[in-house]
Amino acid sequence: EDQVTQSPEALRLQEGESSSLNCSYTVSGLRGLFWYRQDPGKGPEFLFTLYSAGEEKEKERLKATLTKKESFLHITAPKPEDSATYLCAVRSNSGYALNFGKGTSLLVTP
Amino acid sequence: DSGVTQTPKHLITATGQRVTLRCSPRSGDLSVYWYQQSLDQGLQFLIQYYNGEERAKGNILERFSAQQFPDLHSELNLSSLELGDSALYFCASSAQLERGASNTGELFFGEGSRLTVL
Repeated sequence: EDQVTQSPEALRLQEGESSSLNCSYTVSGLRGLFWYRQDPGKGPEFLFTLYSAGEEKEKERLKATLTKKESFLHITAPKPEDSATYLCAVRSNSGYALNFGKGTSLLVTP
Repeated sequence: DSGVTQTPKHLITATGQRVTLRCSPRSGDLSVYWYQQSLDQGLQFLIQYYNGEERAKGNILERFSAQQFPDLHSELNLSSLELGDSALYFCASSAQLERGASNTGELFFGEGSRLTVL
């Protein structure tokens, strides 16, 4: 059974203080690792998809990387508007649905 | 705006009742997914439909059912509601490709329907 574990559960950063969020996964045949951002009371918003170890993708202050066992979401010089819950999900050979972790709640203070 | 529309946005009902949540996928997307999000469980996959047919089941209770209509909108029916069913229910859609083909499609989520069971 697919397992996705995200850490830390919550993270508080000062504006400009870079950090990384972790997503560890166990899956039979990875067919994509996905990162989403979710604001309170809203639906998850797609950020990145990674498919193979060594792959990296960037968007503004966010960079996602992938190894065979985990993915990292690096946040460089974050701003308060980056505050949100970041969700990691995997798609395996067993189907098309995404299996989500519980997320990391990020708070960036001025 | 993801292009996925969910109604109603908020719903308050009593235990034992039945409700129906509605979802319109993005234009052109054939696949619809339903997820439940509660504080302690995170986003849990319930069920997937592709072009009107059920394709995959996740952690969906027997009291819950869904269907996808010819115009591709989907409904999630929740019956004999319990307090523990209070949650956010999300619909997502994707440009679903057949198994065996290259499937790179991310899911696009609606804004959700917040269900409160009193």
